Amino acid sequence: KNQVEQSPQSLIILEGKNCTLQCNYTVSPFSNLRWYKQDTGRGPVSLTIMTFSENTKSNGRYTATLDADTKQSSLHITASQLSDSASYICVVIFNNAGNMLTFGGGTRLMVKP
Amino acid sequence: DTAVSQTPKYLVTQMGNDKSIKCEQNLGHDTMYWYKQDSKKFLKIMFSYNNKELIINETVPNRFSPKSPDKAHLNLHINSLELGDSAVYFCASSQRPPGQGASPLHFGNGTRLTVT
Repeated sequence: KNQVEQSPQSLIILEGKNCTLQCNYTVSPFSNLRWYKQDTGRGPVSLTIMTFSENTKSNGRYTATLDADTKQSSLHITASQLSDSASYICVVIFNNAGNMLTFGGGTRLMVKP
Repeated sequence: DTAVSQTPKYLVTQMGNDKSIKCEQNLGHDTMYWYKQDSKKFLKIMFSYNNKELIINETVPNRFSPKSPDKAHLNLHINSLELGDSAVYFCASSQRPPGQGASPLHFGNGTRLTVT
């Protein structure tokens, strides 16, 4: 069964600190893996998209990594800002699932001053 | 502004009623979607259209009927609303279907449906 699991469920950090969010998936191969940021009351916004062959991709202070051997991805946030407070969602498009995206449950990040 | 816009933002209605949610995108995308986000924040695909043709129809009650008059619009009509339909519904669009390359999804800001 195609599954995407994220950890931790929630995280509180101080402004300026770094943090790393984890995403584990169960099935390979996949088409691509995505990270989205969802602010409260808003729709998700794309941060990064990585294909199966990519190991890392950056978008400003956000860096996503991918280890296809361990079926893990991580999203690293550098020098966190208050505006980083949001839910971060990992999404995988599995090759055996046609055009469907499988969403993780998200990590709720709170950055405190 | 270029965006995916959906209306209304909030919808409160009683069980048994019929309601519609509208979605429009002016990004020139070929593919549009409806997602449901439940209380645990999981996003689940409901429908997807590519160039006005239905390409994904997940296990959704047939009380839910999408309609795409053109590729810039995908509306969602819900008949005989039930308590369990309460959720946030997101419209989204992408240049191509997800399995045809890495084009990101652009989401609207959601419609919070509350059925009482």
